[in-house]
Amino acid sequence: EIVLTQSPGTLSLSPGERATLSCRASQSVSSSYLAWYQQKPGQAPRLLIYGASSRATGIPDRFSGSGSGTDFTLTISRLEPEDFAVYYCQQYGNSPGTFGQGTKLEIK
Amino acid sequence: QVQLQESGPGLVKPSETLSLTCTVSGGSVSSGSYYWSWIRQSPGKGLEWIGYIYYSGSTNYNPSLKSRVTISVDTSKNQFSLKLSSVTAADTAVYYCARTVGATTGYFQHWGQGTLVTVSS
Repeated sequence: EIVLTQSPGTLSLSPGERATLSCRASQSVSSSYLAWYQQKPGQAPRLLIYGASSRATGIPDRFSGSGSGTDFTLTISRLEPEDFAVYYCQQYGNSPGTFGQGTKLEIK
Repeated sequence: QVQLQESGPGLVKPSETLSLTCTVSGGSVSSGSYYWSWIRQSPGKGLEWIGYIYYSGSTNYNPSLKSRVTISVDTSKNQFSLKLSSVTAADTAVYYCARTVGATTGYFQHWGQGTLVTVSS
């Protein structure tokens, strides 16, 4: 199965700053079938990005995804207070689908 | 807006079978556009896809759990269900159901709120 490694483990930033989160796959992800999710404490994950770069319905345009092959990035252009959460990547091009271990985005 | 809600026992004894149901509202499990998945999250293993079912009854399971998992669908009740047999403490987790887009494993478009299942005697 494909192993996804997210970095950094924790990212400390201030509101208004730009956040760059990385997801690296152990082998190429078919057809850029990569998604990103946001999870806040006590809540289920929420889909942000699918197909590596397509925003899900209702997701603000400050969230963007990029990448292909084995290297993918989630960028939040200007952090809002509600963006501080844990972010997960997931590949669904190969079965079984797998998740990264998460990046915690915390307020500096 | 589709909503999903998990239900079932919060405590299961070791070696017994975990059984959960996901009730879908605002959408139909009979829609040919989606698959219906179970995912779990534990502190030790993070997020783990368990498997999915299509309205026709076809399934796809994670090989790591395949020998113990059964997912079924009841279109008349707009529900789908998970059974995980021979549970151990390692199966303690929050279990989520999700509407899934795409084949292979797919991505998880809408999630239930999750239900904590503890395996303990």
